[in-house]
Amino acid sequence: QKEVEQNSGPLSVPEGAIASLNCTYSDRGSQSFFWYRQYSGKSPELIMFIYSNGDKEDGRFTAQLNKASQYVSLLIRDSQPSDSATYLCAAHTGGGNKLTFGTGTQLKVEL
Amino acid sequence: GAVVSQHPSWVICKSGTSVKIECRSLDFQATTMFWYRQFPKQSLMLMATSNEGSKATYEQGVEKDKFLINHASLTLSTLTVTSAHPEDSSFYICSARDVGAQTQYFGPGTRLLVL
Repeated sequence: QKEVEQNSGPLSVPEGAIASLNCTYSDRGSQSFFWYRQYSGKSPELIMFIYSNGDKEDGRFTAQLNKASQYVSLLIRDSQPSDSATYLCAAHTGGGNKLTFGTGTQLKVEL
Repeated sequence: GAVVSQHPSWVICKSGTSVKIECRSLDFQATTMFWYRQFPKQSLMLMATSNEGSKATYEQGVEKDKFLINHASLTLSTLTVTSAHPEDSSFYICSARDVGAQTQYFGPGTRLLVL
């Protein structure tokens, strides 16, 4: 079992819709979780991180964490074509010193 | 804030040569830097964790004698791919973590093509 799992997609949503990206993790010791966006040919850029159960909002983005279910999600409201990218979920593992990444979900926002 | 640079952004070299990639944190001090490799359509794979002033910790399967890492200061880490071969062609990305923080910030990456 992979430590961090994501559906590879592609996930297609129409412009203006809510995109929902999901991630599960296996290490119950993981305490912090990160969402990165990676455009094709570029390096990842941090969108947001979450430590506590519940929701965390930042602009159009909302991260959700459920430690009991070992589940992290990212909601993107009012999706724009510029949001089209691969979204990487990452969890701190190995005692919190390193990040383990999922394989990423490709999001396509269509006009 | 939290800007990480990498140099060079592109490298094309002949098989058997060595290539050095630099990673710098520009506006913060990074006690820990990380080196990743990403093959096309695959996720990031951590190669090693680099701590300032100490030896790097390599992930399983990564040859420490082939991928030399030096973290001589709080703002600079280097990765040297020694005796590069075509199978080493990849996208190498570093990240840096501020002192006391958990968030990693990524450099723009270096594309290596070994002919």
